[in-house]
Amino acid sequence: SQKIEQNSEALNIQEGKTATLTCNYTNYSPAYLQWYRQDPGRGPVFLLLIRENEKEKRKERLKVTFDTTLKQSLFHITASQPADSATYLCAPRGNNNDMRFGAGTRLTVKP
Amino acid sequence: DADVTQTPRNRITKTGKRIMLECSQTKGHDRMYWYRQDPGLGLQLIYYSFDVKDINKGEISDGYSVSRQAQAKFSLSLESAIPNQTALYFCATSDLPPANEQFFGPGTRLTVL
Repeated sequence: SQKIEQNSEALNIQEGKTATLTCNYTNYSPAYLQWYRQDPGRGPVFLLLIRENEKEKRKERLKVTFDTTLKQSLFHITASQPADSATYLCAPRGNNNDMRFGAGTRLTVKP
Repeated sequence: DADVTQTPRNRITKTGKRIMLECSQTKGHDRMYWYRQDPGLGLQLIYYSFDVKDINKGEISDGYSVSRQAQAKFSLSLESAIPNQTALYFCATSDLPPANEQFFGPGTRLTVL
C-alpha cells in the first residue's frame, strides 16, 4: 500500500538557520508532490507543488526538491523566523488521482 | 467571507446518533474532499468528488457516507456515530488539473461520547 513518512515528528531550530524537512514515500510513483503548512486548530494551507520532471522549486525563502529515484522530497526554509513555526505536511498525489498526506513535521523556530 | 465554510465548527454527540457535517464553497471548484485528522496520523481521505455525479471512496470510508447536493455543497454523514470517529474533520476543494492546490475549510471538531 502507499506509504508516506515524514522524517521526524518535531524539529527545533534557532532563528536564522535553515530548516530541512524530509518526506519519503513508498510503493508508488506520484506525478507531483505538494507541501502544506498547518497552524494549530486550522486547515492546511498550500505552499508549493513540484512535479516529477522538476528537480527543484523555489518560492521566496522556501525550496523544495523532488528525487523520484530516492522517492524523497526535501523542504527547506532558509533564514527561518519564529513565525515559520507550524506543522508542515507533504502530500504526494495518490494512484487514484487523490491526495495522500503525511503525518507532518512540527517545526519550532526559537528566537 | 471564507471561500470554504464548514458547519458546525464543534459538535459533541453520543454513540449511535446520526450526524451530518456540511461544507460549502464559493470558489467554483468541481472537486471536493472530506478528510479526518487524528493526532500523529495526518490527514486521511474519507471521500472525494470530482463533480456532482462522481463520488469516490477514500482510504477510510467505512462508517461514513456523503452527498454532493450541488457543485458548491458536499456533506459528510456518520450514520451511527462511534467513539473512534472522534476527530477533526476537514473539507477541501480544488480546481481541475493542472491547478492541483487544495483549499481547506476551518475544520469541524467532532466528539462522540
